[in-house]
Amino acid sequence: ETGVTQTPRHLVMGMTNKKSLKCEQHLGHNAMYWYKQSAKKPLELMFVYSLEERVENNSVPSRFSPECPNSSHLFLHLHTLQPEDSALYLCASSQDLPSTDTQYFGPGTRLTVL
Amino acid sequence: ELKVEQNPLFLSMQEGKNYTIYCNYSTTSDRLYWYRQDPGKSLESLFVLLSNGAVKQEGRLMASLDTKARLSTLHITAAVHDLSATYFCAVEPDSSYKLIFGSGTRLLVRP
Repeated sequence: ETGVTQTPRHLVMGMTNKKSLKCEQHLGHNAMYWYKQSAKKPLELMFVYSLEERVENNSVPSRFSPECPNSSHLFLHLHTLQPEDSALYLCASSQDLPSTDTQYFGPGTRLTVL
Repeated sequence: ELKVEQNPLFLSMQEGKNYTIYCNYSTTSDRLYWYRQDPGKSLESLFVLLSNGAVKQEGRLMASLDTKARLSTLHITAAVHDLSATYFCAVEPDSSYKLIFGSGTRLLVRP
């Protein structure tokens, strides 16, 4: 596999469920990101990791919990979500922080919270 | 508050025509990125502009950056249907590694 992969691609969950989103990058990058893309808002940065350390938590509710076990993998753990959390969740990676190159995005997970 | 504003937000144009998408931003930055997103797909990197006066071209698309005016443009030459997509600009403020995205410009190229 190449680039940035995300699983699952689609997820439907109830408000009481717990689920996790997975992201893997095969680019040898040191920085990874979680973004939220809602229908009526610009892309929002949620979390940033550099060399497995979190460097940014952008006022995200605690029902979203990131985990970066190594520089290739990033998870987003979800629990007791709200319907307004339904969105496309995009993972991205870049060589370093700050980056002089672009961020490479995964295909996203389309999340629906019932 | 950091703002990145794109206009127009929606653009319908005929094949063969030229047009320009504008990206204004409110903070100092000399790093600006353009991305393309097809419906239901992820973001694809188009251009990385890293200095004042930077100009890059790829096929029918050309991007430029004026850091003094805090403005970037994405110019479309002789549009074709395959260019139909949503185009985002994103600014990386000085001394920051965050990308602040514009709302996107949805481009529809009609035959």
